Amino acid sequence: AQSVAQPEDQVNVAEGNPLTVKCTYSVSGNPYLFWYVQYPNRGLQFLLKYITGDNLVKGSYGFEAEFNKSQTSFHLKKPSALVSDSALYFCAVRDGEDQAGTALIFGKGTTLSVSS
Amino acid sequence: KAGVTQTPRYLIKTRGQQVTLSCSPISGHRSVSWYQQTPGQGLQFLFEYFSETQRNKGNFPGRFSGRQFSNSRSEMNVSTLELGDSALYLCASNNDLGRGTDTQYFGPGTRLTVL
Repeated sequence: AQSVAQPEDQVNVAEGNPLTVKCTYSVSGNPYLFWYVQYPNRGLQFLLKYITGDNLVKGSYGFEAEFNKSQTSFHLKKPSALVSDSALYFCAVRDGEDQAGTALIFGKGTTLSVSS
Repeated sequence: KAGVTQTPRYLIKTRGQQVTLSCSPISGHRSVSWYQQTPGQGLQFLFEYFSETQRNKGNFPGRFSGRQFSNSRSEMNVSTLELGDSALYLCASNNDLGRGTDTQYFGPGTRLTVL
């Protein structure tokens, strides 16, 4: 069965410092991995995805993520955090071998808090 | 392009009632998925529609149902509401190129409160 783990409920970082939000996954086939961000009372906003190819994926708003197959991880990173990055972040996975539609399995989410 | 739109944005119902939520996908997107978001269970997949057919279904009781129209707009219905159905219901669309790699784009959600 597919699953996603976000081991940290909350990550605190000072503005200007690098940030990392962790994600590990489990699928039987090739993983398709996604990061989304959610601001209060809003839907999910797509940040980036990994399908195949280069392990370092660049996305919106200066975010990037590194796919590590041996560690089954897909950590979200940003070199310099902004207060406006404070939000709820979700990692999601889809099994590339699963032909039954495009449903995503989400992690529990990590709250990122950036202090000024 | 306009994004995914959902109506209504907020809804208050009482136990035992039924409710219908609506979703209009991004123009050109043929696949619509629904998710339930609660503090306890997080984001859970409800079902996906493609070309007016349910293509995939999550682990929810039969009180949860949906449909898709020929213009790709979708509705979901919850009958006999329970307190535990209080949640943010999110709709997502993608253009479904058939490889499962497509990005799902989410609407703002409908906040359902069951009293």
